Amino acid sequence: ELKVEQNPLFLSMQEGKNYTIYCNYSTTSDRLYWYRQDPGKSLESLFVLLSNGAVKQEGRLMASLDTKARLSTLHITAAVHDLSATYFCAVDLNFGNEKLTFGTGTRLTIIP
Amino acid sequence: EAGVAQSPRYKIIEKRQSVAFWCNPISGHATLYWYQQILGQGPKLLIQFQNNGVVDDSQLPKDRFSAERLKGVDSTLKIQPAKLEDSAVYLCASSRTSGRGYEQFFGPGTRLTVL
Repeated sequence: ELKVEQNPLFLSMQEGKNYTIYCNYSTTSDRLYWYRQDPGKSLESLFVLLSNGAVKQEGRLMASLDTKARLSTLHITAAVHDLSATYFCAVDLNFGNEKLTFGTGTRLTIIP
Repeated sequence: EAGVAQSPRYKIIEKRQSVAFWCNPISGHATLYWYQQILGQGPKLLIQFQNNGVVDDSQLPKDRFSAERLKGVDSTLKIQPAKLEDSAVYLCASSRTSGRGYEQFFGPGTRLTVL
């Protein structure tokens, strides 16, 4: 059974600081997705990572994928309050079937 | 481009009652998903449709949950009878199905409370 684990589960950080969220998964996959969810809202797609070594950046967020280590990271640079949200990674196991298994989520709070 | 539409947004029912949710995917998206998101957890896939056929329903509690996607566009998810543990947000998502790099686009969800 595929397991997708994120850490930390909760993260409180000050504005201007850098931090990294980790996503580990238990079975081989080369497709990983990051989503953002604001309280009471739906999920917004952030990044799609499709190969080993893939790196994508958007504003203050950068995501990477290491398929050999079964690890993805979401790095936050110089955090701002607007980044406060819950972040989910999701792994696609069934090649061609496009079935996502989501991680537990990381609730990020940026403190002014 | 219009996003994924869902209704109702909120529903409160008593246990053993029935409830139905509706989803209209993004135009042209062949694949449609229903997820259950329990408070504090990530979404869990219930069922996946490709056009009007079921691709995966391995995690759908078939004794009480049912879903259909007639004509390969809109979809309904039904719970009958509801249990307390069904309280959750039910998310519908859709995607194009053409090779790698697809993204799933999520609707606003229906928050179900079972009393």
